[in-house]
Order: sequence, then C-alpha cells, then structure tokens
Amino acid sequence: DTGVSQDPRHKITKRGQNVTFRCDPISEHNRLYWYRQTLGQGPEFLTYFQNEAQLEKSRLLSDRFSAERPKGSFSTLEIQRTEQGDSAMYLCASSLLAPGGETQYFGPGTRLLVL
Amino acid sequence: QKEVEQNSGPLSVPEGAIASLNCTYSDRGSQSFFWYRQYSGKSPELIMFIYSNGDKEDGRFTAQLNKASQYVSLLIRDSQPSDSATYLCAVNPVYGGSQGNLIFGKGTKLSVKP
Repeated sequence: DTGVSQDPRHKITKRGQNVTFRCDPISEHNRLYWYRQTLGQGPEFLTYFQNEAQLEKSRLLSDRFSAERPKGSFSTLEIQRTEQGDSAMYLCASSLLAPGGETQYFGPGTRLLVL
Repeated sequence: QKEVEQNSGPLSVPEGAIASLNCTYSDRGSQSFFWYRQYSGKSPELIMFIYSNGDKEDGRFTAQLNKASQYVSLLIRDSQPSDSATYLCAVNPVYGGSQGNLIFGKGTKLSVKP
C-alpha cells in the first residue's frame, strides 16, 4: 500500500525561474489537494481536484500558479516567475470522497527555497 | 473569514501524563474535524477525525467535540517522548460536500519530558 508521493522533495531556485512539482496520490483516491505551509503556520489551502476537474482555487493562488490533473491521476503544480515569498513547503494530499465523508492523507511535501 | 485557533504552546508534560490539546473554530456550520501530528521537517500525519458531538477514543488518543461551544480537543494518555511534535487541528466546513479543503490552525507544539 503506497501512500502519497511527491517529487522533488527539495528544490532550490533563483528568483524569476519557473518550477514544477509533481504529486502522485493514493491510487483509488478521487480527490487531490495542494496546500502551502510556511514556518510556524498550519497548511494553507491552494486548490483541489475531483478526478480531473479543478473544483476550487484559493485567493492565495495567484496568476503565477497553475495546477493540473490531466487524467485524474497525478497532478502538477507550476509556479512561474518565482519570488522569495514563494519559499515554503508545498504539500499534496489525497482523499476518497465517500458517503461517510473523506479524510485527507498528506505526502512528504516539496520544500522550495527561492534565492 | 473562517478561522481555527490553537494555543501555540509549547505545552510541556512529563512522560506518562495526560496531554490536553485544544482548538476552537469560528464557522458554526463546520461538520468534520481532524487532528494531525507533524514532526519537525515532516508532513502532517492523520491521527484522528471526529464528526459527532462527544468523545471518540483510539488507543491512547481521545478526541472530544462540542459543536455548541465550537470546541474540539485531543487528549493523549500516557504521553511518551515520541509524542513530542506539533499537533494541528483542522476543520472541514462541509460534511461530504463540494468544499473539501481543510482549514488548519497554527498548531500546538507538545514536548513530553522523560
């Protein structure tokens, strides 16, 4: 039973560069979430998908951020023209929406440092 | 603005004691509640969830929910040094609905002293 995986685990980039992160959810899970977490804070919601449909985006998700889940399986999160304020842990979570509710399971995260 | 509030701590308890972690939330319509544990530098790990008023026990952990007071707590019995971590309270505003994102508190840092 494999959990949620994320790649890369760490990314260092220079300001202005584009970066892309990948998330592979638990195989039977139909929902996939992206969160961002900075030091001393709880995770903040960015966006989520149900199958391949992107159902909600937070106002935190500026135009420089885009997320996809083209076949309803893995997802990518791209940040264009990175800024130092984008430095954070980017967390992916997946869940199975069922009649009883849902519980989200997190991947290990991608730690981004923008220099 | 939907908010989840937690005492940031640190909460320090001796080994073997009961640790009590508290959380309040602002959205009265919230339906499901979660506790995650997060070790330093790691991602959140689900400990428990609770949907109904009252207590829910799982091993050394007990979650308590009082929707009228908009309050949820986590008790850890027989605390161990390995329980030392940040505990995140998370709230899902809609039960099984279309809005699935969790709203997290900032977390309470727990330290269990041997």
